[in-house]
Amino acid sequence: QSVLTQPPSVSGAPGQRVTISCTGSSTNIGAGYDVHWYQQLPGRAPKLLIFLNNNRPSGVPDRFSGSRSGTSASLSITGLQSEDEADYYCQSYDSTLSGRVFGTGTKVTVL
Amino acid sequence: QVQLQESGPGLVKPSETLSLTCIVTGDSINNRRYYWGWIRQPPGEALEWIATISYNGIPYYNPSLKSRVTTSIDTSKNQFSLSLTSVTAADTAVFYCARLVGPTYVSGYYFDNWGLGTLVTVSS
Repeated sequence: QSVLTQPPSVSGAPGQRVTISCTGSSTNIGAGYDVHWYQQLPGRAPKLLIFLNNNRPSGVPDRFSGSRSGTSASLSITGLQSEDEADYYCQSYDSTLSGRVFGTGTKVTVL
Repeated sequence: QVQLQESGPGLVKPSETLSLTCIVTGDSINNRRYYWGWIRQPPGEALEWIATISYNGIPYYNPSLKSRVTTSIDTSKNQFSLSLTSVTAADTAVFYCARLVGPTYVSGYYFDNWGLGTLVTVSS
C-alpha cells in the first residue's frame, strides 16, 4: 500500500526515450521532500540511480535524469539500451508516516 | 568501498521471531555521516522500508510494522540488527540492509549502498 504511485510498466525501442512517473501527495513529494530513484536488475539488489531529485552518482550514465514538480517526480531514460531492462523505484519521505516511502515500481522493457 | 552483508536464518516458523544482522565492512558504523536501514521485498512485489537507525542508535520504524520491529546497532562489532516478532507467511521476503547518506536534513537521506539481500521464508 505504497503512497507513491508508478505505472506498472513502460516500454520502448532501443534508442528511444521513456519516462517513468512517480505520483505522491501533499505529505511527501508535494511537501517538498526529495525524491530518489533506484534501479533493480533482475535478481539483483537495488542500486542508487538518482539522488536528491536530479543528481547522478558517479558511474551512472547521463542518459538517466530526474525531475520533480508539484506532487510528482519523473525519471527519464534517453537512448534506451537493452541493459536498461529492469525495475525502477522512486523513494521519498512522508511526514504523516514520519518515514521513508518507496513507489510501487515500474518495469522497463526494451522492445 | 563500504560493503554490507545480511546474515540470518533463511527459514522461520510462523509466530516466531525473525532476526537478521547486517555486517558492515569498509567504513565505521558510528560515522556521523551515515544512518543504516532495513528494507524488504516480498516475492514479485515492491520494496518496503522497515526501519532506520542513526549512527548513535536512534531508531525509526515504519508505522505499519512498528509494533513488531526492533533495530539496534553494535558499534563494537560494526554491525546492526533487525528483529521482527510474530511472523506470518506475509512476512516472507528478501530482506536488504543498506546505508543511508544525505544532506544536512535527515528527511533527505537516501540509500546509497545496499547488501545483496537474504531471502527469509516463513513456513512451518
